[in-house]
Amino acid sequence: AQSVTQLDSQVPVFEEAPVELRCNYSSSVSVYLFWYVQYPNQGLQLLLKYLSGSTLVKGINGFEAEFNKSQTSFHLRKPSVHISDTAEYFCAVSAGGTSYGKLTFGQGTILTVHP
Amino acid sequence: DSGVTQTPKHLITATGQRVTLRCSPRSGDLSVYWYQQSLDQGLQFLIQYYNGEERAKGNILERFSAQQFPDLHSELNLSSLELGDSALYFCASSVKGTNTEAFFGQGTRLTVV
Repeated sequence: AQSVTQLDSQVPVFEEAPVELRCNYSSSVSVYLFWYVQYPNQGLQLLLKYLSGSTLVKGINGFEAEFNKSQTSFHLRKPSVHISDTAEYFCAVSAGGTSYGKLTFGQGTILTVHP
Repeated sequence: DSGVTQTPKHLITATGQRVTLRCSPRSGDLSVYWYQQSLDQGLQFLIQYYNGEERAKGNILERFSAQQFPDLHSELNLSSLELGDSALYFCASSVKGTNTEAFFGQGTRLTVV
């Protein structure tokens, strides 16, 4: 079984400040890790994914995440946020294969960027 | 635009009724996944179909069922609806070539009154 814990339900930050959204996971098998973003009244959009290889993953909109196997973490970071980054962010894991879309999601972190 | 189309976008219905949600996956994607997003349960995987066959089941109630048709579109049927079934229902698709991610539709917001 897999599980995902997002350690912060809400993160307020000022514009142009750095941000880190924390995600820990547990799994008995190798996992693939994802961060999705959901803007108000919209579907989920993939920000980035870790499948294998380099533990630092770069995604869209200036986001990056680092896979840390020993700490079972996959924290999302952005060095300078914009108002437009205000959204809910979800960390997720899957077992891959033909089931990349069978995702276990965390509870979500609402990022609010203040001017 | 993810390429995954869900209809309808909004649905309001009464308790005890039955509804059908429809999903058209991205062209060529063989897998379709259904998710439920609610305030108390968060995002939960319901069921996966792969090329017409059920592949995986999650926390799907017995009152709910799904199928995937030969043209790969999928339908999620919800019956004997209760107030607690009010939620956003997402469809996602994946698995075409070297796809390694799921693409989500915009969702169907179901309100049971």
